[in-house]
Amino acid sequence: DAGVIQSPRHEVTEMGQEVTLRCKPISGHNSLFWYRQTMMRGLELLIYFNNNVPIDDSGMPEDRFSAKMPNASFSTLKIQPSEPRDSAVYFCASSSNTGELFFGEGSRLTVL
Amino acid sequence: GEDVEQSLFLSVREGDSSVINCTYTDSSSTYLYWYKQEPGAGLQLLTYIFSNMDMKQDQRLTVLLNKKDKHLSLRIADTQTGDSAIYFCAAGDSSYKLIFGSGTRLLVRP
Repeated sequence: DAGVIQSPRHEVTEMGQEVTLRCKPISGHNSLFWYRQTMMRGLELLIYFNNNVPIDDSGMPEDRFSAKMPNASFSTLKIQPSEPRDSAVYFCASSSNTGELFFGEGSRLTVL
Repeated sequence: GEDVEQSLFLSVREGDSSVINCTYTDSSSTYLYWYKQEPGAGLQLLTYIFSNMDMKQDQRLTVLLNKKDKHLSLRIADTQTGDSAIYFCAAGDSSYKLIFGSGTRLLVRP
């Protein structure tokens, strides 16, 4: 298996623009997670899906952030409008019932 | 809620043992993990221990758990330069709701 695939790997955008990050989980995994990593706040869980249904979105910072999982093999995290403080590395991870999280390589977002 | 604390930096000489420490606050945490992050990559599970265990050994890795003090440690024997990375401790009462520490950057000197 190719592992968790994220795109884009790097994104540089201007404040106010819409950003869409994409994730393809490992086939057969029924849970998907979006994390954000910054120097100041470390690794934060943003949202968790189970069987394509959002279970816990309490970590989503504000209404500018939204996440969808239209099917078992694809998820998006959207920021609209983006702000400089959204600059971070965004990780997608998936897991099966074993509980082990498999992380993608991350999408590094820079908002100017 | 759960809070996980780690020291930020550790430097060891190649061949020595490394010990990375972690403390957590929620005594109901039953899932305790160690993840490794190499530059430009995502986190990769190294090992884990459940709260009903005191120790787990896996090749060069030894995890010790002191439930009373809510203290977790990761020992890497015969540390190699390839072990240089950031190590994250994670704790939680469910396998999905994990709280990660800030990470310990391990530098292995030749």
